[in-house]
Amino acid sequence: NAGVMQNPRHLVRRRGQEARLRCSPMKGHSHVYWYRQLPEEGLKFMVYLQKENIIDESGMPKERFSAEFPKEGPSILRIQQVVRGDSAAYFCASSRGRSYEQYFGPGTRLTVT
Amino acid sequence: DQQVKQNSPSLSVQEGRISILNCDYTNSMFDYFLWYKKYPAEGPTFLISISSIKDKNEDGRFTVFLNKSAKHLSLHIVPSQPGDSAVYFCAASEGSSNTGKLIFGQGTTLQVKP
Repeated sequence: NAGVMQNPRHLVRRRGQEARLRCSPMKGHSHVYWYRQLPEEGLKFMVYLQKENIIDESGMPKERFSAEFPKEGPSILRIQQVVRGDSAAYFCASSRGRSYEQYFGPGTRLTVT
Repeated sequence: DQQVKQNSPSLSVQEGRISILNCDYTNSMFDYFLWYKKYPAEGPTFLISISSIKDKNEDGRFTVFLNKSAKHLSLHIVPSQPGDSAVYFCAASEGSSNTGKLIFGQGTTLQVKP
């Protein structure tokens, strides 16, 4: 009964590099959400996707950030040209349908040096 | 603009006593509320939820109370156990929106002393 899986768990990137974060939802779940947690803060919604569709990206920064959830494979959160302010924990959650009861993965901790 | 606020960053209680964690919100359109528990280096784990049509929901040692007029909810843990020591987040969602977007508070760190 695998839960939500995220990899890598830790990612170190130098300023200007690209970061790719992966999320595999729970079995049977086709809805994926990405949240970001900055130090000493709560989680902030970034984007909500269903298979092959972005439903709500109101929390995504306008530049450098993109997300996808292809028909096959994991959801990917991509950050281009990372800056130090991108250092955070990025959590993925999934649900069976559009649901507030979301199940979270362990997170990817991104450090930008 | 912090729509969901947890004004107590930390709380310490003795094992066996009651833990009360509080949460306030400002958006009157929120109609579904959840509590999550988070251990270090792990993702949040869903604990309990409540719809705005109720004022109380209970699940074992955990009870959530909702006061819509005050825009306030609380989580009661009775009796508290050392394993309950974690960060607790309240979250809210607007049912009329097209997504399951959750708005989180900043979290309260609970320490239960043996």
